[in-house]
Amino acid sequence: AQSVTQPDIHITVSEGASLELRCNYSYGATPYLFWYVQSPGQGLQLLLKYFSGDTLVQGIKGFEAEFKRSQSSFNLRKPSVHWSDAAEYFCAVGAGGNTGKLIFGQGTTLQVKP
Amino acid sequence: GAVVSQHPSWVICKSGTSVKIECRSLDFQATTMFWYRQFPKQSLMLMATSNEGSKATYEQGVEKDKFLINHASLTLSTLTVTSAHPEDSSFYICSASLTGGPSATQYFGPGTRLTVL
Repeated sequence: AQSVTQPDIHITVSEGASLELRCNYSYGATPYLFWYVQSPGQGLQLLLKYFSGDTLVQGIKGFEAEFKRSQSSFNLRKPSVHWSDAAEYFCAVGAGGNTGKLIFGQGTTLQVKP
Repeated sequence: GAVVSQHPSWVICKSGTSVKIECRSLDFQATTMFWYRQFPKQSLMLMATSNEGSKATYEQGVEKDKFLINHASLTLSTLTVTSAHPEDSSFYICSASLTGGPSATQYFGPGTRLTVL
């Protein structure tokens, strides 16, 4: 069965520092992969997604993610974090079939130090 | 574009009463809507998938008689928690997708906080 693991429950980085949030998935075929961000009082917002093609995907707000099939990973990166990036980040994988269902990881809380 | 709203944003009710939560796609017609439940500091758990005009498909372990989902139009889906109990207290989130299929982007509502006393 498909699954997603985000190994880091909580990460703290200094403003201006680089960021990498880890995501590992379990899926038999080529996965559909997503990163969402959840800020308090707001709905989850899609940062980026990967279906096929170039394994380095650019998203909004300066985020990027790299799909590595050999490592079953889809890590999210940002070269320089801003205080406004503090939020909950979720990695998700398509559940298969044609339903569009998503399976979410446990989430990583990002705290940004001034 | 692609805005999804939920109403109410929070609700407190007494045990045994029913609560209805609305999910609306404001500027697009949603082929499919999804309902999730999120516990504090935890991930989103998919409860059900609904398509306009057809019965919702519930995930394993979700009681369809307790969590009634109606997808009356391409812009509105409702979740009714019937005979709510304290264990139903949670954060309920809906999402909507413009197109179907595994590559479709889901647009999420801001969520509804339900507290059952």
